[in-house]
Formats: sequence, structure tokens, C-alpha cells
Amino acid sequence: GNSVTQMEGPVTLSEEAFLTINCTYTATGYPSLFWYVQYPGEGLQLLLKATKADDKGSNKGFEATYRKETTSFHLEKGSVQVSDSAVYFCALRLNSGNTPLVFGKGTRLSVIA
Amino acid sequence: EADIYQTPRYLVIGTGKKITLECSQTMGHDKMYWYQQDPGMELHLIHYSYGVNSTEKGDLSSESTVSRIRTEHFPLTLESARPSHTSQYLCASSDTGPSSYNEQFFGPGTRLTVL
Repeated sequence: GNSVTQMEGPVTLSEEAFLTINCTYTATGYPSLFWYVQYPGEGLQLLLKATKADDKGSNKGFEATYRKETTSFHLEKGSVQVSDSAVYFCALRLNSGNTPLVFGKGTRLSVIA
Repeated sequence: EADIYQTPRYLVIGTGKKITLECSQTMGHDKMYWYQQDPGMELHLIHYSYGVNSTEKGDLSSESTVSRIRTEHFPLTLESARPSHTSQYLCASSDTGPSSYNEQFFGPGTRLTVL
């Protein structure tokens, strides 16, 4: 089946630290990959996406590269800020057929000043 | 402005009450979804719809029901609420056009507490 595995949190970092949140996937077909972010008290927002192998998604200083050979889509940011504190979800969706997004379990990030 | 709305944002009710959580989107999207989010943050798909008069059950068994009479509206109903229904409920929608990359847009959520 289709599934997403992301590193368990919580992750606590100091401001300006480097962030990596690991995400790997299994898929029966060719997926598009996404990172969503959920700030406290809000719904999810799309952070970035990649639709094919070797694509790099980027937004707000965050980056993730679609690695087909390792079935991974790790999220990185060079220098985190307190305002990045949120829950991050990795997700996939098959490019063929009508299927909903498949989400990982989420990783809570806390950035302290 | 195109958006997705959920009402109420917060709801506290007693056991046995019937409730309807509202979800509306103004983006003209065909597909709509309901997720239940537990306190540990994990999202569980409970219902989805690919168009008017189409509804499907998701991965997580739920005692709730949904309807899709209009494209923009996807309400979720609990006939008899119980404390086990206490959770955050998130509504989402997506388009099916070739340029959409299957992005799902989420509403702000309804936090339900059943006493």
C-alpha cells in the first residue's frame, strides 16, 4: 500500500539552528510529494511540493528534494526562527487515479529563542 | 476571496446531542474531505467526496455521516455525540485540473468537545 513515515518528534531547536525532518515513503505508483505545516490553532497549509524525481520544492527558506532512489523527501531549513514552531506533515498522492493524500503522523517542532 | 470555511470553530456539547459541522469552499473544487485529528496530531481520513451526490468512507471508521448536495458544501453530522467523538475535525478540498498538482486546501478546523 501507500504510506509515509516521518521522524517522530517533538524536535526542539535553538533559533538559527539547522533543521532536518526525515520523510520516507512507499507507493504503489508514481507519487507527488508534499510538506504541509500546521500552526497552533489553525488548519494545514501547503509548505512545498514536488511532482517528479529530483524536483526540489522550496518556500519560506524550507527545501525538500524528491529522491526516488531512496524514496525520501526530507525537509530542511538552514536557520530556523521561533515563528517556525509548528507541526509538519509529509504527504504523498499518486499521480494516477482518484486517491486522497496519504499523510505521515506529523512532527512537532519547537524553536526557542 | 476564494477560501474554505468551517463553522463552528469550537463546540462543547453534551452526550447524545445531534450536531452538524459545516464546511464550505468558494474555489469551485470537485473534491472535498473530512479528517479527524487526534491529540497526538495524526490525521485520519473519515470521509471524502469527488463531486455532488458522491461520498465515500475513509480509512478510519467513523459514526458520522456526510452529504454533498452542492459542490461548495460538505457538512458532517453526528446523530448522537459521545465523549469518544471529542477531537479536532478538519475539512479540505482539492481541484482535479491538470495544473493543480493535487494540492489540498484546508479549513481552520472545528474543535469538538463532548461532555
